[in-house]
Amino acid sequence: KQEVTQIPAALSVPEGENLVLNCSFTDSAIYNLQWFRQDPGKGLTSLLLIQSSQREQTSGRLNASLDKSSGRSTLYIAASQPGDSATYLCAVPSGSARQLTFGSGTQLTVLP
Amino acid sequence: DTGVSQNPRHKITKRGQNVTFRCDPISEHNRLYWYRQTLGQGPEFLTYFQNEAQLEKSRLLSDRFSAERPKGSFSTLEIQRTEQGDSAMYLCASFGGRGGYTFGSGTRLTVV
Repeated sequence: KQEVTQIPAALSVPEGENLVLNCSFTDSAIYNLQWFRQDPGKGLTSLLLIQSSQREQTSGRLNASLDKSSGRSTLYIAASQPGDSATYLCAVPSGSARQLTFGSGTQLTVLP
Repeated sequence: DTGVSQNPRHKITKRGQNVTFRCDPISEHNRLYWYRQTLGQGPEFLTYFQNEAQLEKSRLLSDRFSAERPKGSFSTLEIQRTEQGDSAMYLCASFGGRGGYTFGSGTRLTVV
């Protein structure tokens, strides 16, 4: 059974800092890995999707890496802004339905 | 592409009442998923449709829960005889191949 872990559970940084969020998964036979952002009381917004054949994906100030062999992904946020404050979730598809298995998320607070 | 739409956004109901939620996926996506999310946790898989066929159900989906996707378009999730433990955010997602999963804004259910 796939399990996804995210560390740290919460992170508080001053504006302008670069930061890294971590995601680990137990079964390395994944199709892809997706990072999401969730604002309080809202749905999930997709940030980056990395296919299993890729090592990283970039979108603006965000860069996600994937190391299947070690079961790890990182989300790097450059020059953080208060508007980046949210919960960040990683997820991998598993099972016959390819349903997503999520970590519990990292709650990020960027202080002005 | 107008995204995934969920209605209602919020629902407050008394214990024992029945509730129904609706999800309108992205029109060209044939896969549709329902998830449940409780506070501080990542979403958990409930059920999966491919077109109109419900192909997988999680053990979380008790017999009080039923989901349909008539004609492979919109989907409904009904909870009968609601309990306080059903209070959660119910999220719908559709899958677009290499584009990954797109989530709706969710329906927040509060059972009082």
